[in-house]
Amino acid sequence: DIVMTQTPLSLSVTPGQPASISCKSSQSLLHSDGKTYLYWYLQRPGQPPQLLIYEVSNRFSGVPARFSGSGSGTDFTLKISRVEAEDVGVYHCMQSTQVPLTFGGGTKVEIK
Amino acid sequence: EVQLVESGGGLVQPGGSLRLSCAASGFTFNSYWMHWVRQAPGKGLVWVSRVNIDGSFISYADSVKGRFTSSRDNARNTLFLQMNSLRAEDTAVYYCVRGVDGFDLWGQGTMVTVS
Repeated sequence: DIVMTQTPLSLSVTPGQPASISCKSSQSLLHSDGKTYLYWYLQRPGQPPQLLIYEVSNRFSGVPARFSGSGSGTDFTLKISRVEAEDVGVYHCMQSTQVPLTFGGGTKVEIK
Repeated sequence: EVQLVESGGGLVQPGGSLRLSCAASGFTFNSYWMHWVRQAPGKGLVWVSRVNIDGSFISYADSVKGRFTSSRDNARNTLFLQMNSLRAEDTAVYYCVRGVDGFDLWGQGTMVTVS
């Protein structure tokens, strides 16, 4: 199974400041079809997760431009350019390059 | 409205069974792969199973293989998860999720407690 490791475990950010979350996979997520199936989700308190970023760097419909994804191979990053109060919650990375699909352990973001 | 609504969760004794349902509405259900993802209290997300568009191809996590069975009824726009031989470690919120690769639509989840 591909192990997804997220860091940090938690992050406390002042509104308006940037934030960055790392996600590393135990194997390359580059699929034989040339795509990299790495996703980012935000789970707000008491809510199901919602898709933010698909295939490493594509913002899902309605996701603010302050969210961006980057990376390749085994190293990926989610960046929030200027954190807002509504960004609090747990961020999860996920790979679907290989079955079983696997998630990172999550990064909790809170506002200072 | 585009939505997924899970039902069927509850309290069950170890070794017991439950059948979860997920009713889809507002979109063409038979055009999408569907998944089950679970989350134990205070823990992370764990993928459980996926079903292709016509139910002919199904995959499971090793932790549930042989005990859980996923299926779908496209005529009723419904996804199912039959859970047998339940264990305490199966206690979790179970989410029904839409998506081929990325999960773009999640239900609110249904809680399963094995105790």
